[in-house]
Amino acid sequence: EPEVTQTPSHQVTQMGQEVILRCVPISNHLYFYWYRQILGQKVEFLVSFYNNEISEKSEIFDDQFSVERPDGSNFTLKIRSTKLEDSAMYFCASSGQGYGSPLHFGNGTRLTVT
Amino acid sequence: RKEVEQDPGPFNVPEGATVAFNCTYSNSASQSFFWYRQDCRKEPKLLMSVYSSGNEDGRFTAQLNRASQYISLLIRDSKLSDSATYLCVVNSGGSQGNLIFGKGTKLSVKP
Repeated sequence: EPEVTQTPSHQVTQMGQEVILRCVPISNHLYFYWYRQILGQKVEFLVSFYNNEISEKSEIFDDQFSVERPDGSNFTLKIRSTKLEDSAMYFCASSGQGYGSPLHFGNGTRLTVT
Repeated sequence: RKEVEQDPGPFNVPEGATVAFNCTYSNSASQSFFWYRQDCRKEPKLLMSVYSSGNEDGRFTAQLNRASQYISLLIRDSKLSDSATYLCVVNSGGSQGNLIFGKGTKLSVKP
């Protein structure tokens, strides 16, 4: 079964550093997303991306965050200057055509900001 | 504020038991509904979509009541492998894939 893959599985960084989280969505999917989950809390929407542009972003997704699809397969999330409160699991997801198509999540990147 | 509320549990049940989870959502504009399961420190995995007429997938039955903004999940003949956190998920009414997650209900199935 096709799956979403994410790298790295764990990233440790110092406060103020830039990080890039990488994702390879399912190949025939057209919609891509980033979600995050702080330990012990809900999964939260960050951003959706379609047709090479952001469709929607949450209030969490401030100017420190950006997304990019640099080629035909990768989808990245960049955090420019990490803060302690950015420590979380970051999940990439993708979905097919059709409003209401379920999301398929990658196995996540655990980001630890020290 | 758009919310999805679930009983956090934990639900501790013996193998073979039937267990039911409930969920309420606040956004009447939500059009898509799902149950996901999440194992400890893993990604959410789709269990099933939930349709207005109710739907069943093996031992799992989901029901939706739009008037009450209420979703349920019934698990029959529970297995040890059903132990996980069950996430009630609805779309926000915004763009595709903007989902609102409940905090989840933890299920522990014991031998």
